[in-house]
Amino acid sequence: DVKVTQSSRYLVKRTGEKVFLECVQDMDHENMFWYRQDPGLGLRLIYFSYDVKMKEKGDIPEGYSVSREKKERFSLILESASTNQTSMYLCASSLTGRAEAFFGQGTRLTVV
Amino acid sequence: RKEVEQDPGPFNVPEGATVAFNCTYSNSASQSFFWYRQDCRKEPKLLMSVYSSGNEDGRFTAQLNRASQYISLLIRDSKLSDSATYLCVVNSRGSYIPTFGRGTSLIVHP
Repeated sequence: DVKVTQSSRYLVKRTGEKVFLECVQDMDHENMFWYRQDPGLGLRLIYFSYDVKMKEKGDIPEGYSVSREKKERFSLILESASTNQTSMYLCASSLTGRAEAFFGQGTRLTVV
Repeated sequence: RKEVEQDPGPFNVPEGATVAFNCTYSNSASQSFFWYRQDCRKEPKLLMSVYSSGNEDGRFTAQLNRASQYISLLIRDSKLSDSATYLCVVNSRGSYIPTFGRGTSLIVHP
């Protein structure tokens, strides 16, 4: 079974803090994604990566950056957290050529 | 126009009922289609892929209509455990980036 693990289930941070969300997958998937999910807005793509050190902006990259130094790990960084970044963050991975994405359990981030 | 559109519902049905959801997509070049299920406060999980010829998995049937650019999910003999949000997913931009609909909420009651 594919396993995608996010470092925290729940996180509370203060406005202005730098926040790191970590995601690790154990199935040698090339593609990794970060989404945020908000009520009424669904899942929105923040960033994705199709290879080590490669990254592409998704639909809502403002206020975020990412890092992919190793194939199995994809980190989402909030440079200076703001209250409008309070959300559920979901990491996913997939194999090139196989379009199904597998998700981590999600991180519910609250910025106060 | 949003790339993938779904009726948010909720669809409120009794146990044993048959219920169907539709999802429309805007990109005619889309190549891969899926239904995911998401339980409250959990991550989305793949329910089934959708193939051009239509496909069935137990009580669930998925269909694709390329001409009209929609996919459908039919659930027969609904169970209480089917209560969840059903997300329509379309892959575009090289066919490996999933674009999600906002989901359709299903509530199955006794």
